[in-house]
Amino acid sequence: QVQVEQSGAEVKKPGASVKVSCKAAGHTFNNHYVHWVRHTPGQGPEWMGIIDPGGVSITYAPTFEGRVTMTRDTSTTTVYMELSSLMYEDTAVYYCTTVGVWGRPPDYWGQGTLVTVSS
Amino acid sequence: QSALTQPASVSGSPGQSITISCTGSYNEIGKYNLVSWYQQHPGEVPKVIIQEVSKRPSGVSERFSGSKSGYTASLTISGLQAEDEADYYCCSYAGSSSLVFGGGTKVTVL
Repeated sequence: QVQVEQSGAEVKKPGASVKVSCKAAGHTFNNHYVHWVRHTPGQGPEWMGIIDPGGVSITYAPTFEGRVTMTRDTSTTTVYMELSSLMYEDTAVYYCTTVGVWGRPPDYWGQGTLVTVSS
Repeated sequence: QSALTQPASVSGSPGQSITISCTGSYNEIGKYNLVSWYQQHPGEVPKVIIQEVSKRPSGVSERFSGSKSGYTASLTISGLQAEDEADYYCCSYAGSSSLVFGGGTKVTVL
């Protein structure tokens, strides 16, 4: 099981960008795929994209294509998710989730980062 | 891709069995045996309870079981207990490295 710690809650204005980090304690993390998932209360989770262990292969959900950027720094065992052109509807909890097997849904979820978009 | 379809709520009495369905299409549930189920208690992080349609991770109660038929995956909770009251989500691999989630089911223990 990979333990990760996500960055703290953010409040952003519409049109701004937010960058959420996800740092793991050990280098086992570097063998895991990371999916970013966001969750709005009362709705189902929404898949945003995946970054592979090497940080080379990245796939974004069509809904977020053009607005989201996922990066990975294996030297610091940290993954980042940046979402730009924020809208009120982007208010949600953003989760860093990990899995060691390609194709399988996540096995472990980080604690989540609340992003609030408010003027 | 569209979200997987789950009933909004399911309830049962202690000791009973309940089943939560998760309906998709050939493109995810029908094509791949890569369905996971998650349990989320209020204020907590989702926890995986079923992987790859029917596999229970270490430490998960045997009262939880998963199956799949056609385009529908199912989660059965047997011997329902008060602690099972939570939200449950299904998730399937959908090809091209993507995932799709269900809308969630609230389980109430009467």
